[in-house]
Amino acid sequence: NAGVTQTPKFQVLKTGQSMTLQCAQDMNHEYMSWYRQDPGMGLRLIHYSVGAGITDQGEVPNGYNVSRSTTEDFPLRLLSAAPSQTSVYFCASSTRGLNEKLFFGSGTQLSVL
Amino acid sequence: GQNIDQPTEMTATEGAIVQINCTYQTSGFNGLFWYQQHAGEAPTFLSYNVLDGLEEKGRFSSFLSRSKGYSYLLLKELQMKDSASYLCAVRKGGGNKLTFGTGTQLKVEL
Repeated sequence: NAGVTQTPKFQVLKTGQSMTLQCAQDMNHEYMSWYRQDPGMGLRLIHYSVGAGITDQGEVPNGYNVSRSTTEDFPLRLLSAAPSQTSVYFCASSTRGLNEKLFFGSGTQLSVL
Repeated sequence: GQNIDQPTEMTATEGAIVQINCTYQTSGFNGLFWYQQHAGEAPTFLSYNVLDGLEEKGRFSSFLSRSKGYSYLLLKELQMKDSASYLCAVRKGGGNKLTFGTGTQLKVEL
């Protein structure tokens, strides 16, 4: 099993460009989520999904869209990139249960110039 | 909202014991997690507490007091590879929506 796979690993964008960060998991996990990590701020939840066809906003959703058409995939779309979106992005998944530990992807380092 | 506080940095000696504290304020508490994150890597799960008391897993133990909004992670027999950031995270309600603290950077020295 590959676990949680994120692509790309690095990306540089110009302000105003759009792009999609890909996330796929092969563990048949119901829950998937996107976090961003900034120095001194900790991990912050952007969007999450409790199953195919269901998504909801997290703590910092502005400027990002998500969809969950399949159990395996949970892409994150930046509509019009801004320098404030320069960050490291992590996708995570988990099962439904009491001990719902998150499995994280390897991360995407995004720079917006 | 949720406030989670943990020290920014700690230094300890190889072979020693270190305790990393985490305090939190939240309603609807439904579990506290500890994750380890090495520089440039993804966080990995260490421990989970939902009831008061101590959970032991090898060299790592985690304690929770819900009435005090307090947890600690105890690392024994420190090794150089334990140098990493340790993240405290609180779950409110169901699902996998965690609120993370800013992390404690632990440096293990010879």
